[in-house]
Amino acid sequence: QQQVKQSPQSLIVQKGGISIINCAYENTAFDYFPWYQQFPGKGPALLIAIRPDVSEKKEGRFTISFNKSAKQFSLHIMDSQPGDSATYFCAAHGGDNFNKFYFGSGTKLNVKP
Amino acid sequence: GAGVSQTPSNKVTEKGKYVELRCDPISGHTALYWYRQSLGQGPEFLIYFQGTGAADDSGLPNDRFFAVRPEGSVSTLKIQRTERGDSAVYLCASSSQSGGLNEQFFGPGTRLTVL
Repeated sequence: QQQVKQSPQSLIVQKGGISIINCAYENTAFDYFPWYQQFPGKGPALLIAIRPDVSEKKEGRFTISFNKSAKQFSLHIMDSQPGDSATYFCAAHGGDNFNKFYFGSGTKLNVKP
Repeated sequence: GAGVSQTPSNKVTEKGKYVELRCDPISGHTALYWYRQSLGQGPEFLIYFQGTGAADDSGLPNDRFFAVRPEGSVSTLKIQRTERGDSAVYLCASSSQSGGLNEQFFGPGTRLTVL
């Protein structure tokens, strides 16, 4: 059973637009929710992260919105740029296993110039 | 400073062979993770080291997979009797503290292809 469900699988956005990627989880024991950005041939890199006691976190053009009651969180990329074209993964930490991160299946973002 | 490095970057082997994949974490990082990433999927947890010991190996798919970290730094993931289904990118990540709430720094991965 997939612990974190991510959508959409792929996303095309025009330059300057807003990219929105959504994730949902079931385990209320998760305690930390990071987003990773991955370019081809590279490992994932931490983009931004949030804890469940906060409803929103913003860093530059990137914002996480967190809805604890709905068990959903999303990544918003404002003023999307072609350089943002990459695969994005949401993840959740903890639950029944303090050591584990559970990753979503990824969203391939293409920002058209 | 240097990030996490993994060698080789690519490994092609035949079904039934033995392979070793190496991870050099960031100096001083005590926590080390191995993940497997299949095409079009997110990383899947395999094993977590805190220092020299495997604190959690619950993600290893079967007993053909084994990992060591004898001196608390470099780690080696070992796969015996490889199968075509083992083909994937194997990622290593390190972190400065245990429990994972500090940032994990990922290496570029080793792409394993089993023919």
